Amino acid sequence: EVQLQQSGPELQRPGASVKLSCKASGYTFTEYYMYWVKQRPKQSLELIGRIDPEDGSTDYVEKFKNKATLTADTSSNTAYMQLSSLTSEDTATYFCARGADGFDYWGQGVMVTVSS
Amino acid sequence: DIQMTQSPASLSASLGETVTIECLASEDIYSNLAWYQQKPGKSPQLLIYYANSLNDGVPSRFSGSGSGTQYSLKINSLQSEDVSIYFCQQNYDSPFTFGSGTKLEIK
Repeated sequence: EVQLQQSGPELQRPGASVKLSCKASGYTFTEYYMYWVKQRPKQSLELIGRIDPEDGSTDYVEKFKNKATLTADTSSNTAYMQLSSLTSEDTATYFCARGADGFDYWGQGVMVTVSS
Repeated sequence: DIQMTQSPASLSASLGETVTIECLASEDIYSNLAWYQQKPGKSPQLLIYYANSLNDGVPSRFSGSGSGTQYSLKINSLQSEDVSIYFCQQNYDSPFTFGSGTKLEIK
């Protein structure tokens, strides 16, 4: 059974950084891109970028290029996203999702709250 | 970036009715269109890919159609568990963009 297990909720101060994790199981980690998606409260979905776990190559949506850093650890089948210089605009739920025909499996999401 | 215009923003229908949600791409996406269902407090779930292919385990009352720039999701025999927000997504050209969502409620 394919599963994407994300880390727990985060409360961070403005200006801080946070690193989120997404542990994959039930499939060969290196055979699928991993995408990250942002959803602000009561808003639509916004793609952040993707990583190819096989070679670590990344592709970011322009607006997130200085905000998010995607990495992957093939020894633990875990994808990571670091968000830097947090502001209130980063308060959102972040999902990882496996890229296949569409995004066929999603993590449960992690809520990041930025507040002083 | 390809813009995805989704309509309506909200929809209220009775149990057993048929509803249709539409998505318009700003350019031809060659049927590279997915539909997702998101229930409150949950992650999105893939319903349809390549415009009309039903994902495994999705009830057959869901169907997708369209080509070029115009696509639609139809839900037959609406059931209470279909209350959700529905999103379209183009996966033809990076960055893969989403529609703004349609909130479906039961009358």
